[in-house]
Amino acid sequence: GQQVMQIPQYQHVQEGEDFTTYCNSSTTLSNIQWYKQRPGGHPVFLIQLVKSGEVKKQKRLTFQFGEAKKNSSLHITATQTTDVGTYFCAGPIETSGSRLTFGEGTQLTVNP
Amino acid sequence: DGGITQSPKYLFRKEGQNVTLSCEQNLNHDAMYWYRQDPGQGLRLIYYSQIVNDFQKGDIAEGYSVSREKKESFPLTVTSAQKNPTAFYLCASTRATMGEQFFGPGTRLTVL
Repeated sequence: GQQVMQIPQYQHVQEGEDFTTYCNSSTTLSNIQWYKQRPGGHPVFLIQLVKSGEVKKQKRLTFQFGEAKKNSSLHITATQTTDVGTYFCAGPIETSGSRLTFGEGTQLTVNP
Repeated sequence: DGGITQSPKYLFRKEGQNVTLSCEQNLNHDAMYWYRQDPGQGLRLIYYSQIVNDFQKGDIAEGYSVSREKKESFPLTVTSAQKNPTAFYLCASTRATMGEQFFGPGTRLTVL
């Protein structure tokens, strides 16, 4: 079945370092979404990418959607302690209408 | 304020008891979802509903049941048939097919 894989599973950085998480799908995606879950919290939507090769920025966060629409990345420049949490990518399951399949997430810790 | 509410936040039950988790939304969203999250894991879909009086099994539906009698409400029952029910349960909703999902704060269920 359709799978979305995310790497790395864990990432520890010093405050000020950059961070990147990668998402790969076994099938072409019509779009990809990114969510952030703070420790003890619930996932919160960050962004949706739709177009092949699309790049979007939100302050220090840069999101990319691959040309083949099978991979995506989230890059954080100069991490801050507020960036701590787990970042999930998710893509729609084409045969099921409104279902998403989530990656297993990358858990980011930032040492001050 | 519009949003999704889940209650209670923490729930303790004895093994062998059925328990129902509440999920209510006032966002006028058609689709609603139930996910299970285990420590350090991603989100696994239990059930979802795209319209009132209709719902579909997700990836891990065994031992769970749902109903969708009203657009605003999508309760989840964890039955005694669920072998390992202790987990964090998240409810979500979405307005459009394959659109962003809005999550409730979650219910942490512990079965003793």
